[in-house]
Amino acid sequence: NAGVTQTPKFQVLKTGQSMTLQCAQDMNHEYMSWYRQDPGMGLRLIHYSVGAGITDQGEVPNGYNVSRSTTEDFPLRLLSAAPSQTSVYFCASSYRTGGDYNEQFFGPGTRLTVL
Amino acid sequence: AQSVSQHNHHVILSEAASLELGCNYSYGGTVNLFWYVQYPGQHLQLLLKYFSGDPLVKGIKGFEAEFIKSKFSFNLRKPSVQWSDTAEYFCAVNAGGFKTIFGAGTRLFVKA
Repeated sequence: NAGVTQTPKFQVLKTGQSMTLQCAQDMNHEYMSWYRQDPGMGLRLIHYSVGAGITDQGEVPNGYNVSRSTTEDFPLRLLSAAPSQTSVYFCASSYRTGGDYNEQFFGPGTRLTVL
Repeated sequence: AQSVSQHNHHVILSEAASLELGCNYSYGGTVNLFWYVQYPGQHLQLLLKYFSGDPLVKGIKGFEAEFIKSKFSFNLRKPSVQWSDTAEYFCAVNAGGFKTIFGAGTRLFVKA
């Protein structure tokens, strides 16, 4: 199993440009999420999905869109990049056992710089 | 709102020293608790987790954590750290539903 994969690993954008960060998992996990990691702030949830066709907003959703057309893929779209979106982005997937939400499996991250 | 506090942002230890990283959360109900580790240049991976049962949880690489419900705490410990433990450590709490709240992280540097 490849686990959770993300592309690209690095990206530089100019203010106002748009792009899509790709995320895929091959573990048949129901739950997927996107986080951004900024120094001293831990991981903040951007958007998440509890299954194909179902998405919801996290703590910091502004400026980002997501969709979940398949179980495997969960792309994150930046609509009009801003310098405040310079960050490291992690995609994660998880599953449920009974009533418990298990640990998340993280991808390698995408380091995004917006100039 | 739910929150997770990690008291130490930076910790520097010498090899063989004992480690304790604090984690407190603000939620009065049933919680699932996690510690993740991020080694330099790598993605987060699970160290250990607590759902129920014995409040002393053992994880990988000699780490353990103790859940103290009355103190809303889930502190991470290791009796003797190694240089290879240099990493950033995140406490995380799931308080029902899928959303997991992460602490700000603690950067540990172990001097050889």
